[in-house]
Amino acid sequence: EPEVTQTPSHQVTQMGQEVILRCVPISNHLYFYWYRQILGQKVEFLVSFYNNEISEKSEIFDDQFSVERPDGSNFTLKIRSTKLEDSAMYFCASSSTENQPQHFGDGTRLSIL
Amino acid sequence: EDKVVQSPLSLVVHEGDTVTLNCSYEVTNFRSLLWYKQEKKAPTFLFMLTSSGIEKKSGRLSSILDKKELFSILNITATQTGDSAVYLCAVDMEYGNKLVFGAGTILRVKS
Repeated sequence: EPEVTQTPSHQVTQMGQEVILRCVPISNHLYFYWYRQILGQKVEFLVSFYNNEISEKSEIFDDQFSVERPDGSNFTLKIRSTKLEDSAMYFCASSSTENQPQHFGDGTRLSIL
Repeated sequence: EDKVVQSPLSLVVHEGDTVTLNCSYEVTNFRSLLWYKQEKKAPTFLFMLTSSGIEKKSGRLSSILDKKELFSILNITATQTGDSAVYLCAVDMEYGNKLVFGAGTILRVKS
């Protein structure tokens, strides 16, 4: 069964450094998303992306965050200057249309030191 | 503010028991309600519900939505240890293509 794949599974970075989290959505999907889950808290929406532009973003998704679809298969989340509070599990998801279920990857655990 | 509330927060049952997990919501632009199972990593899709009163079923799992009372339940019959997981309820918003999640119910099935 097709799945969303994310790399790396765990990323450890010094505060202030830039990180790029990578995702390969399911191949025929057109809608892409990033969510995060801080340890012990709810899964929170960050951003949705369709047709090479952001459809919606949350208050968390400030100027330090950006997303890109650099080619036909990858979808990336960049955090420009990481803070301690960015430590979380980051999930990528994709769906075939906006009315279909979102399918999630295994996540990248981001640890900021 | 859009809100999704799940209950109970956690539950311990014995193999063979039947469990009911609850999800209530208050959102401005409802499109659908989804249930996911989260074991170690990725939330795995279980059900998507858009219409009231129509039960969705997959093996021992079933779910139903009440759009008038703004809640959904997820039933698991004849539980097995492999059902141990966090069950997440999420509401898909009409505008913006985003899921609003509840905190989850931690289910532990003892053998």
